[in-house]
Amino acid sequence: NAGVTQTPKFQVLKTGQSMTLQCAQDMNHNSMYWYRQDPGMGLRLIYYSASEGTTDKGEVPNGYNVSRLNKREFSLRLESAAPSQTSVYFCATKAGISGNTIYFGEGSWLTVV
Amino acid sequence: DQQVKQNSPSLSVQEGRISILNCDYTNSMFDYFLWYKKYPAEGPTFLISISSIKDKNEDGRFTVFLNKSAKHLSLHIVPSQPGDSAVYFCAAKYSGAGSYQLTFGKGTKLSVIP
Repeated sequence: NAGVTQTPKFQVLKTGQSMTLQCAQDMNHNSMYWYRQDPGMGLRLIYYSASEGTTDKGEVPNGYNVSRLNKREFSLRLESAAPSQTSVYFCATKAGISGNTIYFGEGSWLTVV
Repeated sequence: DQQVKQNSPSLSVQEGRISILNCDYTNSMFDYFLWYKKYPAEGPTFLISISSIKDKNEDGRFTVFLNKSAKHLSLHIVPSQPGDSAVYFCAAKYSGAGSYQLTFGKGTKLSVIP
């Protein structure tokens, strides 16, 4: 039972490069999220998908795009990476509007040089 | 505008004593509150939650207290153990429009000293 799986776990990018963080869940949850965690800043929501086919901006969406590929998968894309996007990224899922608890993946460490 | 605040970035407690982590919120629409625990290099894991219709919820060594009038909640860990050393995040949500989102505090790093 993997729960929420993120790939890659570690990545180093050069400024201006693009990359996609992948997230897959086997919890049959409707809602999926991408958060970033920075020192002293807590967990900040980048984008979320309330259900398959929908995506919405969170608190810090600039510089990112997302795709809810199907119910299981939610990807986060950096089109032109910047050093300010160096962070730890967490994918998460929730059952949906009726669910209260978010379940997180193990994180993806991204460094932009 | 920070809606969920954890004003203590860190806390040190002796093993066996009580750890009290505090959280304040400003949005009176919040009606469900959660605590997450995070070890280094791992994702946050759900610890305990409380609905606004209650003022206390207990799960083993962990108890969360909610004071709605003060817009304050606290997490008590008794007795504290070295394995409890982690960053603890408080989170809040509300029912209705936008209820898909959790709003997190910045976290409190708990160190339990053997």
